[in-house]
Amino acid sequence: QKEVEQNSGPLSVPEGAIASLNCTYSDRGSQSFFWYRQYSGKSPELIMSIYSNGDKEDGRFTAQLNKASQYVSLLIRDSQPSDSATYLCAVNIQAGTALIFGKGTTLSVSS
Amino acid sequence: EAGVAQSPRYKIIEKRQSVAFWCNPISGHATLYWYQQILGQGPKLLIQFQNNGVVDDSQLPKDRFSAERLKGVDSTLKIQPAKLEDSAVYLCASSLAGEDTQYFGPGTRLTVL
Repeated sequence: QKEVEQNSGPLSVPEGAIASLNCTYSDRGSQSFFWYRQYSGKSPELIMSIYSNGDKEDGRFTAQLNKASQYVSLLIRDSQPSDSATYLCAVNIQAGTALIFGKGTTLSVSS
Repeated sequence: EAGVAQSPRYKIIEKRQSVAFWCNPISGHATLYWYQQILGQGPKLLIQFQNNGVVDDSQLPKDRFSAERLKGVDSTLKIQPAKLEDSAVYLCASSLAGEDTQYFGPGTRLTVL
């Protein structure tokens, strides 16, 4: 059974702080890793993808991957109230296959 | 570029009734996915199509769920008969063949009473 685990939260941070979201996965053969943001009542929106060990930065977002530890994280710098949402971690075994999602972590950024 | 279209956006039915959902993927996207997202959970794959062929339907409850993509473009997902536990958001996603990035439609929120 391929699984993706996330702490459901809620994770509460003040505006301007760094939010750190974590995810572990069970299948060592996983090749691609994604972070989706989902606002309440909306569909998931891709914010980051990462394929190799290390860090990948995009604006205020940094994804980190450690395949040896089967661990993926997302850092959000200078958190804004508009970042309040559920963040879904997803993995797949190879390109063109379905994503396996975690349950999501709810982030709340207070102003 | 138009995104993934889904209809209806909301549906309320009684248990044992039937319901159908429609999805039109992004133009040129050969791969189409249907996911089920129960409240508080992440999306879970129901079925994956590549053009008009089924790639993965291992998690589709085939006794009540069916899906088709006859012309390799739009797709229909049907539930018959519906159960209370089918209350969820049904998400359609599409991608270019062999590509990782999946684009999600707005979803259909189904409530079974």
